[in-house]
Amino acid sequence: GAGVSQTPSNKVTEKGKYVELRCDPISGHTALYWYRQSLGQGPEFLIYFQGTGAADDSGLPNDRFFAVRPEGSVSTLKIQRTERGDSAVYLCASSPTRTLNEQFFGPGTRLTVL
Amino acid sequence: DQQVKQNSPSLSVQEGRISILNCDYTNSMFDYFLWYKKYPAEGPTFLISISSIKDKNEDGRFTVFLNKSAKHLSLHIVPSQPGDSAVYFCAASAPGTGNQFYFGTGTSLTVIP
Repeated sequence: GAGVSQTPSNKVTEKGKYVELRCDPISGHTALYWYRQSLGQGPEFLIYFQGTGAADDSGLPNDRFFAVRPEGSVSTLKIQRTERGDSAVYLCASSPTRTLNEQFFGPGTRLTVL
Repeated sequence: DQQVKQNSPSLSVQEGRISILNCDYTNSMFDYFLWYKKYPAEGPTFLISISSIKDKNEDGRFTVFLNKSAKHLSLHIVPSQPGDSAVYFCAASAPGTGNQFYFGTGTSLTVIP
């Protein structure tokens, strides 16, 4: 079956612009996570959805970042007024339940803010 | 504040020998630890995990050891194979933190044929 997919694979934008990053989780997975990986660092937790609701958004760095999952499947990470420091690989993962060891990651979206 | 640390950014090992990747953590509340493997242009792939009630978990060529008193875990790969060449991340989770993982910075393993 298909794994987690993320689109676009690469996004280049100018400082101040708005971007949307999409994640298609594995069908039937109820939990969905967003992480951000900066150069030379490990993935950093941003937000976790259980179904349609954000169960934990404590990792979102500021109010320019927002994520939705309106129907409990596809999720969109939205970044307003992008800054150069937002440049990173944004990873999405999904899990069939809340179990900790089965987070399946997508390939990521590489965001570059010029 | 890096709660999970991998102090070796890279490691080279001869094929057939043992690879040992190390990870240290600072948060004594962590009770679940995982290792992920990542190839270029792909997302991390779950490799092996261990709960804090254990000190060892083995899965084929991969064994994870946990030393809670030292706040240290290690991943042993034996025998190492060229296909094991990848970046390895350790991650940890604490109860009541919303299922978020705290990742280390990764160790790039190269297995030389």
